[in-house]
Amino acid sequence: EVKLVESGGDVVQPGGSLRLSCAASGFAFSASWMAWLRQSPGRGLECLATLNPDGSATGYVDSVKGRFTISRDNAKNSVFLQMVSLRADDTALYYCVRDPDWGAFDIWGQGTMVTVSS
Amino acid sequence: DVVMTQSPLSLPVTLGQPASISCRSSQSLAYKDGNTYLTWFHQRPGQSPRRLFYRVSKRDSGVPDRFSGSGSDTDFTLTINRVEAEDAGIYYCMQGTHWPRTFGQGTKLEIK
Repeated sequence: EVKLVESGGDVVQPGGSLRLSCAASGFAFSASWMAWLRQSPGRGLECLATLNPDGSATGYVDSVKGRFTISRDNAKNSVFLQMVSLRADDTALYYCVRDPDWGAFDIWGQGTMVTVSS
Repeated sequence: DVVMTQSPLSLPVTLGQPASISCRSSQSLAYKDGNTYLTWFHQRPGQSPRRLFYRVSKRDSGVPDRFSGSGSDTDFTLTINRVEAEDAGIYYCMQGTHWPRTFGQGTKLEIK
């Protein structure tokens, strides 16, 4: 079964850090571009970061550049999102997705909730 | 950033009737490789979005043929020729031609 399972979401104070993980199964993970997206009532759906198959090329949206880092471990079929300097407007449901074709996200996880609040 | 504008934002439809959602981009989505990277997603309450079409009109497996995707350049349309109850939810367009990838605001289709 093709699957992405996110974990690591939590309630964190402004300025805090969090690391999200995503475990992949059922497809050729090490050959796949991967991305992290988020969804919130105020900002809708946003594509935050993307990563090529060997982890050597990344892209970030301006709102998270310098604060979030996407990475992967192909031996463990996992992709990660390290988040620092979290702000209230980072509160959202975070999704891990496969990106097979320039944003044509075809596999989605169930999402993990991040709440930034004091 | 490329702004994606969907209309309408709310779409009440009677079962069996057609429905159409417009998606317009602030820049052309035609890329120099000849492809246009416009994707449509459908999200039901409490679920993750599901891809329906990519590259404007390439239908995903399992998507009924009452759905169609069309358009070019900056103007795109998702059409349902006979709405069924399972079609309720929010539809999003998204462009992948330019970085950052950007989504439309979503169109909520409800069954009257």
